[in-house]
Amino acid sequence: DTGVSQDPRHKITKRGQNVTFRCDPISEHNRLYWYRQTLGQGPEFLTYFQNEAQLEKSRLLSDRFSAERPKGSFSTLEIQRTEQGDSAMYLCASSSMGTGLSPETQYFGPGTRLLVL
Amino acid sequence: EDQVTQSPEALRLQEGESSSLNCSYTVSGLRGLFWYRQDPGKGPEFLFTLYSAGEEKEKERLKATLTKKESFLHITAPKPEDSATYLCAVQAKAGNTGKLIFGQGTTLQVKP
Repeated sequence: DTGVSQDPRHKITKRGQNVTFRCDPISEHNRLYWYRQTLGQGPEFLTYFQNEAQLEKSRLLSDRFSAERPKGSFSTLEIQRTEQGDSAMYLCASSSMGTGLSPETQYFGPGTRLLVL
Repeated sequence: EDQVTQSPEALRLQEGESSSLNCSYTVSGLRGLFWYRQDPGKGPEFLFTLYSAGEEKEKERLKATLTKKESFLHITAPKPEDSATYLCAVQAKAGNTGKLIFGQGTTLQVKP
């Protein structure tokens, strides 16, 4: 299977702990996106990378959140000092950058469900 | 501000009963409109990309259409396995970021 993979699929942690999620994109894709989805809502954009460069961060991404994509391959999303409000599904998606005028289709991974107690 | 609104929030159909889901959008220059299917506890699964008013795409019992202000996902003779949440998202031309702005989704239940 050459789709987007995420690890772990589920994470339960206590408030105040740090957690890290990993995303492996489709191998030939140069863009990688992180989204957060809460129950009953659509995914919300957090940040994205083009190769190894982080080009945009949402206002939703507080200082406790950090993302990296070393060498332009896999990416990690770390949440420090977790809060109960961080409980959500964290989704990763990848795509190939188009010309800028043509649509850029993103393919999603299975997500990591985080529960903060 | 770019925005997507989907209606209805939930839809119950009998097997074989055709219907349509609506996605209304405002965006500063549409680069693309996307439909995804999401099963409980899973990531969104790509269905269609549309970018030009008047465009139509079909896949099995699903057909997506696009106008300048909205998109419809038509479901013809649905089966229970079509039960899922259907998400609509837009991508703006500005900035070439590619980020998607999603609606809240329509949860479809098809009863046998």
